[in-house]
Amino acid sequence: GNSVTQMEGPVTLSEEAFLTINCTYTATGYPSLFWYVQYPGEGLQLLLKATKADDKGSNKGFEATYRKETTSFHLEKGSVQVSDSAVYFCALSPSGAGSYQLTFGKGTKLSVIP
Amino acid sequence: EAGVAQSPRYKIIEKRQSVAFWCNPISGHATLYWYQQILGQGPKLLIQFQNNGVVDDSQLPKDRFSAERLKGVDSTLKIQPAKLEDSAVYLCASSSIRGRVLDGYTFGSGTRLTVV
Repeated sequence: GNSVTQMEGPVTLSEEAFLTINCTYTATGYPSLFWYVQYPGEGLQLLLKATKADDKGSNKGFEATYRKETTSFHLEKGSVQVSDSAVYFCALSPSGAGSYQLTFGKGTKLSVIP
Repeated sequence: EAGVAQSPRYKIIEKRQSVAFWCNPISGHATLYWYQQILGQGPKLLIQFQNNGVVDDSQLPKDRFSAERLKGVDSTLKIQPAKLEDSAVYLCASSSIRGRVLDGYTFGSGTRLTVV
């Protein structure tokens, strides 16, 4: 079956530090890949996505590249801010028409300290 | 555009009681989902609707959970009777499709259920 594995948290960084959150997946074919963010007390928000191999998704200074050869979709940001403190979820949607369900990783909690 | 609306925001019930959650998706989104998010875990799909038909309910505990989507718009999720392990956030989402590829989900803020 489909699965997503994220690095264990929590992750604590100082402001302006470089962020990497690792994500690998197991799925057949070419799934679509997503990063969602959940700020304290809020719902899940789509952060970025990629739908085919070598695509790079980007938003708000975050980036992730769809690597088919390593089945990975690592999230990166060059300089984090306190406002980036949240839980980050990697997710996939399988390939094939009608298969629009999301399978999520367990989430990685990020805390950014001033 | 308006987001996905869910109510109530919080609910506390005793075990063996029943509870219902309501969801209104984004206008025009044909696909609606209910997810369960237990503390410290990622959301897990419970049921997926396409218009008012069920696409997948394989992970829905049908002995106690039920869901419906009348007229292909609003949806309700019910638990009866509730167990302690049902304590979680229940998320509703709706999705749009672009060229047979999932364009993205929009999630509601969720209902936090505590069973005591």
